[in-house]
Amino acid sequence: LAKTTQPISMDSYEGQEVNITCSHNNIATNDYITWYQQFPSQGPRFIIQGYKTKVTNEVASLFIPADRKSSTLSLPRVSLSDTAVYYCLVGMNRDDKIIFGKGTRLHILP
Amino acid sequence: DAGVIQSPRHEVTEMGQEVTLRCKPISGHDYLFWYRQTMMRGLELLIYFNNNVPIDDSGMPEDRFSAKMPNASFSTLKIQPSEPRDSAVYFCASTLQGGNTEAFFGQGTRLTVV
Repeated sequence: LAKTTQPISMDSYEGQEVNITCSHNNIATNDYITWYQQFPSQGPRFIIQGYKTKVTNEVASLFIPADRKSSTLSLPRVSLSDTAVYYCLVGMNRDDKIIFGKGTRLHILP
Repeated sequence: DAGVIQSPRHEVTEMGQEVTLRCKPISGHDYLFWYRQTMMRGLELLIYFNNNVPIDDSGMPEDRFSAKMPNASFSTLKIQPSEPRDSAVYFCASTLQGGNTEAFFGQGTRLTVV
């Protein structure tokens, strides 16, 4: 599993686009980048996964630069219900362990 | 599929008692993970199974904790004897083909040891 660094917390307002960046300098060639979301009193939920460039689904976009040493999760037009903890995980393919760091606590304000 | 099912949702027990938490993974998933979450320590991986076999239990805090997976549709996490510091939310998750595939989490069991 690759070490990741992401901000501990972020605040934003409803309707804004939110970008959460994760650093993973020791990412390996075969590593994928995965993001999970956890609402209070619930288990984490898979949001998006990518390997390079850009991935988009109905929930978010994931931007990965060419060197892959970082990635940015982009949430378009957030609402109050997007208040959650967001986790960046890299390299679970190495040993199948899914280990969560401290994540980024995102607080959306009205 | 109903998703990953955990029981009970809430458990309150007295210190020294045995506690058993249960998990039913999604049918067809080969991997099962047990986690513990507290404010202080975050989300910790306790143990995971592949095809009912424990692969890594290095996260199990003490010998008081044990986990089993007698078949592909059922797993238990047992704490004996329980202590107040075991109070936490315990999550179970399953994946189709290992850590790099999407993990589906249960609703968790909130354990309070008094």
